[in-house]
Amino acid sequence: GESVGLHLPTLSVQEGDNSIINCAYSNSASDYFIWYKQESGKGPQFIIDIRSNMDKRQGQRVTVLLNKTVKHLSLQIAATQPGDSAVYFCAPQGADSNYQLIWGAGTKLIIKP
Amino acid sequence: SQTIHQWPATLVQPVGSPLSLECTVEGTSNPNLYWYRQAAGRGLQLLFYSIGIDQISSEVPQNLSASRPQDRQFILSSKKLLLSDSGFYLCACRERAGLQETQYFGPGTRLLVL
Repeated sequence: GESVGLHLPTLSVQEGDNSIINCAYSNSASDYFIWYKQESGKGPQFIIDIRSNMDKRQGQRVTVLLNKTVKHLSLQIAATQPGDSAVYFCAPQGADSNYQLIWGAGTKLIIKP
Repeated sequence: SQTIHQWPATLVQPVGSPLSLECTVEGTSNPNLYWYRQAAGRGLQLLFYSIGIDQISSEVPQNLSASRPQDRQFILSSKKLLLSDSGFYLCACRERAGLQETQYFGPGTRLLVL
């Protein structure tokens, strides 16, 4: 069945450094991918998305890279700030016609002062 | 853009008691609606989704049920809560019109069953 694996459950980075959060997916039919940020006690918040016809997309301080050949995507956060501390989820959209997202366990990003 | 309301924010209930969590959506019409549960330190588990009024699909067998009496109202219920029903319940909305495929989430309800 569908599975999403995250390479590291916890990532600790120094404030001001760049962060890279990785995500592997298994369904080659996935054609839409969303990164969410979830702060403690809150619902997931949309960060950035990317379609399978793209390999890179940039937002404000964030960049998502998609490598369909190896079924891998990453979220890069530039100049990490304390407010970036959260759990980050990648959610590939499955082949289901109701556009169900596939959720992994997430990566917890810890910012060291 | 849409706004998702959930209440209550926190709920403590005894085992065997009933449950009713409500989710309402503003700023969109005819959305897909979703109920998720999240255990501490884990990802999101899809419980139910709805593509329209009175149209509910269940993803996992359990003692929970969902109803959608109005286009922008989604209710999660249980007749008798179990300890294992504790968790963080999230309602999500996806606009079905146009190319917008992103799911947006409400603030969540934290349920503790004792």
